[in-house]
Amino acid sequence: AQSVAQPEDQVNVAEGNPLTVKCTYSVSGNPYLFWYVQYPNRGLQFLLKYITGDNLVKGSYGFEAEFNKSQTSFHLKKPSALVSDSALYFCAVRDDTGFQKLVFGTGTRLLVSP
Amino acid sequence: EADIYQTPRYLVIGTGKKITLECSQTMGHDKMYWYQQDPGMELHLIHYSYGVNSTEKGDLSSESTVSRIRTEHFPLTLESARPSHTSQYLCASSGGQFNQPQHFGDGTRLSIL
Repeated sequence: AQSVAQPEDQVNVAEGNPLTVKCTYSVSGNPYLFWYVQYPNRGLQFLLKYITGDNLVKGSYGFEAEFNKSQTSFHLKKPSALVSDSALYFCAVRDDTGFQKLVFGTGTRLLVSP
Repeated sequence: EADIYQTPRYLVIGTGKKITLECSQTMGHDKMYWYQQDPGMELHLIHYSYGVNSTEKGDLSSESTVSRIRTEHFPLTLESARPSHTSQYLCASSGGQFNQPQHFGDGTRLSIL
């Protein structure tokens, strides 16, 4: 069975500082990994995905994520945080061995202070 | 922006009423999903469909039902609403390739009095 863990309920960072939101996963086959962001009273917005290839994936709004197969991690990063990045972030994984059901983590709230 | 629409955005209604939450997408996606999410919390898959006339229950048991008569339309129905159904309901769709992301609507926030 596939699963994903986001160990931090909340991450606090000052504006201008780098941010990292952690995600680890477990799948039977090859992982397909996704990051989504959710703003208040909105649905989830897709940020980036890892399918294959380069371990560093670049996405929307200056976000990037690093795939680490040995550590089964897919941490979300941004070099310089903005107050407007404050939102709820979800990591998700699906594998290629069955129907493509996406499994979401429990979410991490990012709070960027001015 | 993905073209997936949910109506109504907000609904406050009394116990025992029949409710239908609408979800439509204009992207021609074959797969559609319904998630239940309490505010600021994790998502729970309650129904999914991978084509017309195909529906399956998700991981979280739900008293709701769904139908998929047209590709673009995936409504969710509660025959008799109860306060325990109070939650946010998110609809999503994805294209045929399984490495493609799901696209989400903005949700319906449902409150049952």
